Amino acid sequence: DAGVIQSPRHEVTEMGQEVTLRCKPISGHDYLFWYRQTMMRGLELLIYFNNNVPIDDSGMPEDRFSAKMPNASFSTLKIQPSEPRDSAVYFCASSLAQFVHEQFFGPGTRLTVL
Amino acid sequence: KNQVEQSPQSLIILEGKNCTLQCNYTVSPFSNLRWYKQDTGRGPVSLTIMTFSENTKSNGRYTATLDADTKQSSLHITASQLSDSASYICVVSAITGGSYIPTFGRGTSLIVHP
Repeated sequence: DAGVIQSPRHEVTEMGQEVTLRCKPISGHDYLFWYRQTMMRGLELLIYFNNNVPIDDSGMPEDRFSAKMPNASFSTLKIQPSEPRDSAVYFCASSLAQFVHEQFFGPGTRLTVL
Repeated sequence: KNQVEQSPQSLIILEGKNCTLQCNYTVSPFSNLRWYKQDTGRGPVSLTIMTFSENTKSNGRYTATLDADTKQSSLHITASQLSDSASYICVVSAITGGSYIPTFGRGTSLIVHP
């Protein structure tokens, strides 16, 4: 398996633009997580899905952020409109279960909002 | 408020030496504690996962310990290698209402010199 795949790896955009980050989890994993990492705040859980259904989105910072998982092999995280403070590395991770199973992280998308 | 404190913030050691990283937490109700290794520019990689009943767990040269009474964990690295240079992140998870609630430490940056 190729592991968790994220695209794009780098994204530079201007404030106010829409940004869409993409993730393909490991086949067979039921859980998908979106994280954000910044120097100031470290790693933060934004939202996670179980069998394509959002379970907890309490970490989503604002209504400008939305995430979908239309099928078991694809998820998106969208920011509209983007702001400079959204600049961060966004990671997607997947696992077989949420509590004691290993989470496998993707390589991340480095987002820069100018 | 759930918190995870890691120490030291950074550490420099010589190749071949051992080192120990600390993680103190106040997370309730406790579900599990994970140690991750994150190389620069990459996603975190799981090293160990421990539940309440586990005191120690090893993964090669990495050994994690957990004292649930004092709410402390340590990660011991034996015979360090240059490739151990990375950030090590402690994550303590709670379960609330069936949801996965992780609390992240800010990490320890380890540099191994030849």
